[in-house]
Amino acid sequence: QQQVKQSPQSLIVQKGGISIINCAYENTAFDYFPWYQQFPGKGPALLIAIRPDVSEKKEGRFTISFNKSAKQFSLHIMDSQPGDSATYFCAAGRRSGGSNYKLTFGKGTLLTVNP
Amino acid sequence: GAVVSQHPSRVICKSGTSVKIECRSLDFQATTMFWYRQFPKKSLMLMATSNEGSKATYEQGVEKDKFLINHASLTLSTLTVTSAHPEDSSFYICSASWGTEAFFGQGTRLTVV
Repeated sequence: QQQVKQSPQSLIVQKGGISIINCAYENTAFDYFPWYQQFPGKGPALLIAIRPDVSEKKEGRFTISFNKSAKQFSLHIMDSQPGDSATYFCAAGRRSGGSNYKLTFGKGTLLTVNP
Repeated sequence: GAVVSQHPSRVICKSGTSVKIECRSLDFQATTMFWYRQFPKKSLMLMATSNEGSKATYEQGVEKDKFLINHASLTLSTLTVTSAHPEDSSFYICSASWGTEAFFGQGTRLTVV
């Protein structure tokens, strides 16, 4: 059972355009929703994260939109740049003993930004 | 953000040998670390949760006798792939949690020949 569904699998955007990646989750116990950026051969790096008590969070060119009732959240990359070309993973987290969170990842989106 | 160092970044070993991968949290104490496996162009699959001073919790389908996890201190967790076989070749990534945030190591590319 795939608990976090991510789409699209791949995305090609022109430089300066908006990249939009969508995720949906099933388990209402999730209460932490981060996005990670991964370059080939490297570990994922946290990009931006949101809690379900807010509907939107913006950090620079990156914005998360969150729809609690629909159990969906999305990542918007404004003014996309070739350097943004990477694989993006959404994740959903819930507490796993103590104060730490256990993350369930989407399958990833390969973003290519053409110059 | 916090720094998690994973070593080695690449390792090639012969079939039947064991390989140890280290994961260190450099600037914070991590009571919990996670080990993931990632196949080419695929998502991260959680293998196990490593808890300092106690036994690791393995996800369903992961052989605990094959993937030995030790979390002896608050800054170090190790994953040992025992009796490695070519099908164990993969990208292994650790992460250390600090509250809600997870910080990932650089990953280890394991190739078993």
